[in-house]
This record gives sequence, structure tokens and C-alpha cells, in this order.
Amino acid sequence: DTAVSQTPKYLVTQMGNDKSIKCEQNLGHDTMYWYKQDSKKFLKIMFSYNNKELIINETVPNRFSPKSPDKAHLNLHINSLELGDSAVYFCASSQAGAEETQYFGPGTRLLVL
Amino acid sequence: RKEVEQDPGPFNVPEGATVAFNCTYSNSASQSFFWYRQDCRKEPKLLMSVYSSGNEDGRFTAQLNRASQYISLLIRDSKLSDSATYLCVVNQAGTALIFGKGTTLSVSS
Repeated sequence: DTAVSQTPKYLVTQMGNDKSIKCEQNLGHDTMYWYKQDSKKFLKIMFSYNNKELIINETVPNRFSPKSPDKAHLNLHINSLELGDSAVYFCASSQAGAEETQYFGPGTRLLVL
Repeated sequence: RKEVEQDPGPFNVPEGATVAFNCTYSNSASQSFFWYRQDCRKEPKLLMSVYSSGNEDGRFTAQLNRASQYISLLIRDSKLSDSATYLCVVNQAGTALIFGKGTTLSVSS
């Protein structure tokens, strides 16, 4: 059984488009996260939600908007995609806060042309 | 100064070797410490938490020195399957995990 799943796995799109990435966890965790891993492999937090409420919002352009319809889902919508948005986006979840073990999804590889 | 710093490597070692990775963190308020492992084109996975008293899990030993703000990971008897990137990770209460850039290990036969 997949613990944290993301769709799509690969996403190739043109600059200026709007796209969404979906994430679901079946672990019953309360907290979910979005991370971005750039071409230099640096993994950085973007957002964190606890029970559908935003608790961490790092310095991310407002073109990125997370949405949590319920505590098992955290989707990421990106408007007006730019070349610099090309990266791997990982969703993760943990039982409570970030001090707990985080379980990552397989990643979504986004390429903006 | 970066929040979590690691030597990026790569470390190239033969099978059976012992290898050690070091990591320093800048925020003395950090409370939780971890080593994650990331295989090529895969997601990070928890390898082990790091406790103040030091802890061991099979061939892996993690140490924490709060005074020096230093974390280490020792791998004994390296296996081919240990080849991966090892991420030093730090957490402060109420915030997300802060990842180092990772140290790449390549074990060869």
C-alpha cells in the first residue's frame, strides 16, 4: 500500500501555464508538507499544513498556492509557471509536528520549457 | 552561514570500509536531529534519529555534540547498497525540517 502518493510523477509544460500537483497520504497523519528540490539537490520546505490549516509558509512566490481539502490531501497549484520552477516537488507527512519522522512521496518532476 | 552544512563529497570507498560524515548546524535552539538517506531519483527516507547520548542501528552510528553543534554518522563495513546521498536534518520546535545539501557516498566492489 502506498503511504504517500503524488500525481503526476512527471510534468512537462510551457512557461505561463497553470498546473496542479496532488498529494494524498493514507497514514492518518495530521501534518503534511511540500518541499522543493532544485537542480543542485537542495531540499527546502515550501508549506506545511496541520489538520487542513496552514502553519508554515516559507518565502515562496504567491504563484504557488497550497490547498488542503482534508487532512489526507495537500495539493499544490502553480500559476504562471516560470523556467525557475523546474524542480522535483516532494510531498511529505508526519504524525504530528516536524520533530516526528516524515514520510515522503515519490516526487513530481516538473520541467518548464 | 548556511543553517545545516555538510561536506558534499563524493566519498568513494571500497566495500567493507568505514566512512564517517559530519554535519554542523547554526541554530543552537535546534531540538531534533536526523539522518535521512536519498537514493538517486528517489524520495528521502529516514535512516535514523540522532540522540544526545549517541545511538547505533546495526552498522550505523550517529553522534550529536550540542556544544559544538555537530552531528556525525559512521557507517561500518560499507555495502554496495549503502551508495546514496546522506542528508543531515535538523528541526527547531514549531518549524519544518531543515535539510543539509547531502553527502554523496559511492561504495565500490
